[in-house]
Amino acid sequence: DTEVTQTPKHLVMGMTNKKSLKCEQHMGHRAMYWYKQKAKKPPELMFVYSYEKLSINESVPSRFSPECPNSSLLNLHLHALQPEDSALYLCASSQATVYGYTFGSGTRLTVV
Amino acid sequence: DAKTTQPNSMESNEEEPVHLPCNHSTISGTDYIHWYRQLPSQGPEYVIHGLTSNVNNRMASLAIAEDRKSSTLILHRATLRDAAVYYCILSRRAYSGGGADGLTFGKGTHLIIQP
Repeated sequence: DTEVTQTPKHLVMGMTNKKSLKCEQHMGHRAMYWYKQKAKKPPELMFVYSYEKLSINESVPSRFSPECPNSSLLNLHLHALQPEDSALYLCASSQATVYGYTFGSGTRLTVV
Repeated sequence: DAKTTQPNSMESNEEEPVHLPCNHSTISGTDYIHWYRQLPSQGPEYVIHGLTSNVNNRMASLAIAEDRKSSTLILHRATLRDAAVYYCILSRRAYSGGGADGLTFGKGTHLIIQP
């Protein structure tokens, strides 16, 4: 299995809702990442997990809460989002820089 | 992170080679040069990466200048499916412990392929 799987593919949520994005990989990669990508912009790094521990948080608002329950799973919990948080949320994994990164196809999030 | 500079867009014809340039004059000795591409409505896709020597794989070739201040991604025979945004990214060698820092994307080059 050489894929990063993200669910759901699309999500529409209200500003008072709580929802979660899920990311899964079975390549044995020990680093996992969340990125946010607005339309016609490059992806922006949000969080890095290394060996299931949060190692980088790029000053992301607390309404985004990451979780890494085990080495194969990465979640992003969403609460009280704003319409400007609407974007494509991408998950990625890597073994190390020397081996490259594998990205999922993303979750298209719309906040209404 | 060291920055990269790429042209905003390039155009090429189908079945011809494409050379995508990238300047990274502030690259450090431990920076890997990565290339990713992103097709519309998809996540970025790994293309190739290297440190000092030229690299080849089934998708492309990476030519790295001797001083490492620039590199060129070469698509040997472009097809319409190669139309995408191509990102040249520098990434530090993973620190001990097996972790990684994540990739910092620039604006990339929008490659247009004409039939």
